[in-house]
Amino acid sequence: SQELEQSPQSLIVQEGKNLTINCTSSKTLYGLYWYKQKYGEGLIFLMMLQKGGEEKSHEKITAKLDEKKQQSSLHITASQPSHAGIYLCGADVGGGSEKLVFGKGTKLTVNP
Amino acid sequence: ETGVTQTPRHLVMGMTNKKSLKCEQHLGHNAMYWYKQSAKKPLELMFVYNFKEQTENNSVPSRFSPECPNSSHLFLHLHTLQPEDSALYLCASSQEPSGTRWSSYNEQFFGPGTRLTVL
Repeated sequence: SQELEQSPQSLIVQEGKNLTINCTSSKTLYGLYWYKQKYGEGLIFLMMLQKGGEEKSHEKITAKLDEKKQQSSLHITASQPSHAGIYLCGADVGGGSEKLVFGKGTKLTVNP
Repeated sequence: ETGVTQTPRHLVMGMTNKKSLKCEQHLGHNAMYWYKQSAKKPLELMFVYNFKEQTENNSVPSRFSPECPNSSHLFLHLHTLQPEDSALYLCASSQEPSGTRWSSYNEQFFGPGTRLTVL
């Protein structure tokens, strides 16, 4: 079965610093979602990447998909306390399945 | 607000109790999902409903019984649960089921979750 490995598991940064979170798949990526979750709450959609090499940005968050490496990265520029939360990547397992698999998440803390 | 609501937000129950979780989406979506999120584990898909029909059961124990009376409502009936079933249960919906085609129609909108504790 497909698995997604996220790194790092947790990250503490000072406000204003840049950071990168990685998501690596054990199998071919047919596409990838990034979600943000505040502790004990639902997931908020950030971005969806469909094609190798695709890069999307929303405010200070940029995500890229490297199909060959079966990997996606999420980069936050000039982090703010509002960026704090758990970031999860999810991927379509392919083959017509309706199933998404998710990584365990990366917990981000931004200190003012 | 994502357009997906879940009730109750918190639930404490004994192993012999029967309870139900409710999910409602106001987005006109056709697919609905139940996920389980346990500490230090990846988010796990439990069930998928597409146009009220169950299309995915991810080897979930029978003590969890889903019900989808219409495209807007999804229930998860619980009975004789175990303490290890304690988790955050998340409901999600999408315009089309994930995997049918890779497009924005597959984006899943999540509810706030129900925090379940089984004593």
